[in-house]
Amino acid sequence: NAGVTQTPKFQVLKTGQSMTLQCAQDMNHNSMYWYRQDPGMGLRLIYYSASEGTTDKGEVPNGYNVSRLNKREFSLRLESAAPSQTSVYFCATNLAGRYNEQFFGPGTRLTVL
Amino acid sequence: AQSVAQPEDQVNVAEGNPLTVKCTYSVSGNPYLFWYVQYPNRGLQFLLKYITGDNLVKGSYGFEAEFNKSQTSFHLKKPSALVSDSALYFCAVRDGGSGNTPLVFGKGTRLSVIA
Repeated sequence: NAGVTQTPKFQVLKTGQSMTLQCAQDMNHNSMYWYRQDPGMGLRLIYYSASEGTTDKGEVPNGYNVSRLNKREFSLRLESAAPSQTSVYFCATNLAGRYNEQFFGPGTRLTVL
Repeated sequence: AQSVAQPEDQVNVAEGNPLTVKCTYSVSGNPYLFWYVQYPNRGLQFLLKYITGDNLVKGSYGFEAEFNKSQTSFHLKKPSALVSDSALYFCAVRDGGSGNTPLVFGKGTRLSVIA
């Protein structure tokens, strides 16, 4: 089992360009999440999907959109990238239920010039 | 709203000495508490969690954490630190009364174990 996979691993964009970060899981989990990690800021939630067919905003959703394509896949789109979106992006999943820990992908390091 | 505080940005400890990484939390309901570790250029790895029951929780790699309800704390501990424990550690909380909501993470504490 691959667990949680993310593509690409690295990306450099110019201001104004668009791109989609992909996340896939083979753990049969219901819930999926997108976080960004910035130095000194910890992990901040961008969007999440509690179950297939639903998405909700997190703490820092501006400038992003998401799509829960099916149970396995949850993508994050930057329509017009800005330097403030330079960050490391992590996808996470968990089985539905308040007791359950989240499992994280390896991350995508994005630089916007 | 739920929140987590990790009061120390950096903790330095000599190899073989005990280590403690501090975490305090704030929730309106019962807290479900988690610790994660992040090695350089890697994703977060789950270490342990407290849901209910015994206040001392044991996890991976010899780590344990003590839940203290009166002090609203969940400090991570290890009796004897290894150089390989050097990493970034995150505490996280979920409010038990809020259903399957996302974890809220602290800002992280960098642990440096010196040989």
